[in-house]
This record gives sequence, C-alpha cells and structure tokens, in this order.
Amino acid sequence: SQQGEEDPQALSIQEGENATMNCSYKTSINNLQWYRQNSGRGLVHLILIRSNEREKHSGRLRVTLDTSKKSSSLLITASRAADTASYFCATGAGSYQLTFGKGTKLSVIP
Amino acid sequence: GAGVSQSPSNKVTEKGKDVELRCDPISGHTALYWYRQSLGQGLEFLIYFQGNSAPDKSGLPSDRFSAERTGGSVSTLTIQRTQQEDSAVYLCASSLSRSNHEQYFGPGTRLTVT
Repeated sequence: SQQGEEDPQALSIQEGENATMNCSYKTSINNLQWYRQNSGRGLVHLILIRSNEREKHSGRLRVTLDTSKKSSSLLITASRAADTASYFCATGAGSYQLTFGKGTKLSVIP
Repeated sequence: GAGVSQSPSNKVTEKGKDVELRCDPISGHTALYWYRQSLGQGLEFLIYFQGNSAPDKSGLPSDRFSAERTGGSVSTLTIQRTQQEDSAVYLCASSLSRSNHEQYFGPGTRLTVT
C-alpha cells in the first residue's frame, strides 16, 4: 500500500514565488526523503530528514518533519522555471525499502 | 563518477514477446532496486538485491517477471510474454547499503507493449 501521500497533486506558481508541498504517511519511519523527477525519467535525491530531526535546509529547500502528525513539508523558496518537475516523498521504515508517494507536479511559470 | 545507467532507454515490443532490461549500478553500491512507474503514478517496488543475499522478490507482479544480478553488479530484469499492462517506465536505483540510504536512480527504460 502507498505509504506517502503528497498534497497537492499539482501546483502552479509564478517564478520567484515559494512552493510548498506536503507529504503524509501512515506508519512509523526512520527517515523521510524527497526526490525530484523531470520528464518522467530518473529521480534525483534532494534531501533526507531523519525521524529525530524536525527541520533541514539545503540551498533553497527547506524540509520539515512532524512525526506526531506523520507529515512532512518541502518548501522551495524563490522558485525558478527549472524547478518545474514532479516531487516525491519516500519513507524509510527500518528496512531497505523506500515507499514512494504519487508525487506533486510543480509548474513554475516564467 | 558515473551514475546508474540503464539500457535500452526505450523499448517497443509486441505483446507476447520477451524483453530484457539492463541496469549498471554505481560502482561500490551493494544495494540495487527495480521499480515500475506507470504514467502519472508513483513508484511501484519490484525487487531488491543486497550483496550476495537472496533477493527480495515480493514486489514482482507475476511470475512473468524475473531479475538477476550477476557478480554483485549488473542486473537484468526480464519480462516474459509481455502484456499491454506491462507498459511503463522501469527504473533502477542503487544505494550504498540497506539502511535507507538515499537511492541513486538511472534514467529508466520506457517500455511500450503494442
């Protein structure tokens, strides 16, 4: 069964605006990861946040994790047209498997 | 260094034919994963290899699907007697170890069964 569920399914913003995507999951996790996918091909790892962390930054990305609500958010600040892609959260729960959500499709309009 | 590579990038085959998809993981990565992604959907786990251990085949959708990993490196996913519902992008990923490390993905093979 799908572990992560991203919200919204699609998001369209103007260049320069911030984009926020959310991920909810059902069971306990060891870590949560965010990936980006361009044009339906390979995924690129963006950031990993462990279950004992609450917030993590990487460049224009900010990820938060609330284990009590079983949710995470990915914020992209000052978006660029090149950020247009699908974004997936993936949960790791103690074994090797990552369980991916269906993704949020982000469109950044120049 | 070189990333994960997959071949072919695109494959069109007739229903009923067998296909082989290849994955070259990053050198030194002991874990290798196969996923399937249908149009507009998330990733569906297929199979996992870790070193010389027996693979986890729990995600394979039917016995028409099989995979092997030779010498702990290159992996081949084989789909026998392909069906139209097998059409999807097949993604391979590798990681350093089994403990939920970030996974590095190849560009995928887009399979179309006509």
